[in-house]
Amino acid sequence: EMQLVESGGGLVQPGGSLRLSCSASGFTFSTYTMHWVRQAPGKGLESVSTIGANGAITYADSVKGRFTISRDNSKNSLYLQMTSLRPEDTAIYYCVKDRYCTTTTCPQDHWGQGILVTVSS
Amino acid sequence: AIRMTQSPSSLSASTGDRVTITCRASQGISSYLAWYQQKPGRAPRLLIYGASTLQDGVPSRFSGSGSGTDFTLTISCLQSEDFATYYCQQYYSFPLTFGGGTKVQIK
Repeated sequence: EMQLVESGGGLVQPGGSLRLSCSASGFTFSTYTMHWVRQAPGKGLESVSTIGANGAITYADSVKGRFTISRDNSKNSLYLQMTSLRPEDTAIYYCVKDRYCTTTTCPQDHWGQGILVTVSS
Repeated sequence: AIRMTQSPSSLSASTGDRVTITCRASQGISSYLAWYQQKPGRAPRLLIYGASTLQDGVPSRFSGSGSGTDFTLTISCLQSEDFATYYCQQYYSFPLTFGGGTKVQIK
């Protein structure tokens, strides 16, 4: 069974840093594009960052220069280093896996349970 | 970034009703369109991808159509477990972008 388990969330002051981790199991992690998607309280979904199986990386404009996505295929793990955090970064952060597909880009078929990050003084 | 516009933002319906949600992309995305269902306190669930292909395990009362810029999600006979929020998403180009969501509520 495929599983994605996030950790590392919590309360942090504005300007602070936090590192999210996602532990993956039940599939060949190294061969899939992975994403971080967030959802502010009561709001919609926002793609934060993507890292391809080939290491290609993209970021939302709202986090560019502040967040860094990475992966360690030997540990089946995905990370999101967040710095210079702002109150508007407060959200549930989901670790998300691409569905297997034969096109260049794919939809996402497995989501973690999400981890809450709260940025507040 | 490609902007995705969903309508309506909410709707009220009864069990057994036929429900249609629309999604418009700010530029052509071919069929790189997915629909997700989200229930309160839960992660989103993939329903449809490629604009019209049902994900494994999704009931056949869900269907999707469209290509280019205009898409629809239809629930043919609404069941109690379908009351949720639905999001469209384009995966044609990065950054991935989602519509604002449509909350389907009980009338």
